[in-house]
Amino acid sequence: DSGVTQTPKHLITATGQRVTLRCSPRSGDLSVYWYQQSLDQGLQFLIHYYNGEERAKGNILERFSAQQFPDLHSELNLSSLELGDSALYFCASSGSGLSYNEQFFGPGTRLTVL
Amino acid sequence: GNSVTQMEGPVTLSEEAFLTINCTYTATGYPSLFWYVQYPGEGLQLLLKATKADDKGSNKGFEATYRKETTSFHLEKGSVQVSDSAVYFCALSANAGGTSYGKLTFGQGTILTVHP
Repeated sequence: DSGVTQTPKHLITATGQRVTLRCSPRSGDLSVYWYQQSLDQGLQFLIHYYNGEERAKGNILERFSAQQFPDLHSELNLSSLELGDSALYFCASSGSGLSYNEQFFGPGTRLTVL
Repeated sequence: GNSVTQMEGPVTLSEEAFLTINCTYTATGYPSLFWYVQYPGEGLQLLLKATKADDKGSNKGFEATYRKETTSFHLEKGSVQVSDSAVYFCALSANAGGTSYGKLTFGQGTILTVHP
């Protein structure tokens, strides 16, 4: 158990809909990262938040947005869903000090868009 | 930009065989290098890491050496077990100060199957 939790574990929805994925980082970790894992694209970095502020964006679509709240949990919002958005979405967290670049992954949310 | 290339899979071995999974990278500066493992239905677990040239990361019998001259970080294990069957990902992270700082860039993953 990495200490990172994600909900829900599975999500099935229809095209055009909007969903919210939730992530709680390890206790004390200030950084949260979101990744998308799909068969054709592999593991792709989406976005990084540090202590509530956006730090970096990767291959994140404009239909997707994220935020990190004062209690450090994060949400990834996916809207106007398309079939191609079906994937595993992981969040990861990291701390500070010597282990700042070690990321600990949650179990993921499997999104299926029908 | 940064990139990671892993050997093509899948890899199928018998128990107690020697394992090598090749990984090469392209990056500016001096990235940190990682191997992650993903068991079926689970998230990624950090297997080992190295943060500077010639560092050797090791864990659970696996090891990898950061080779800057060949931009490689090959994963090895002397004697694999059935329980090692999983997907292995090589990844890099730019160190502090770069615009790519923090995010992991992954290879495509290598499926390992170990038979008894």
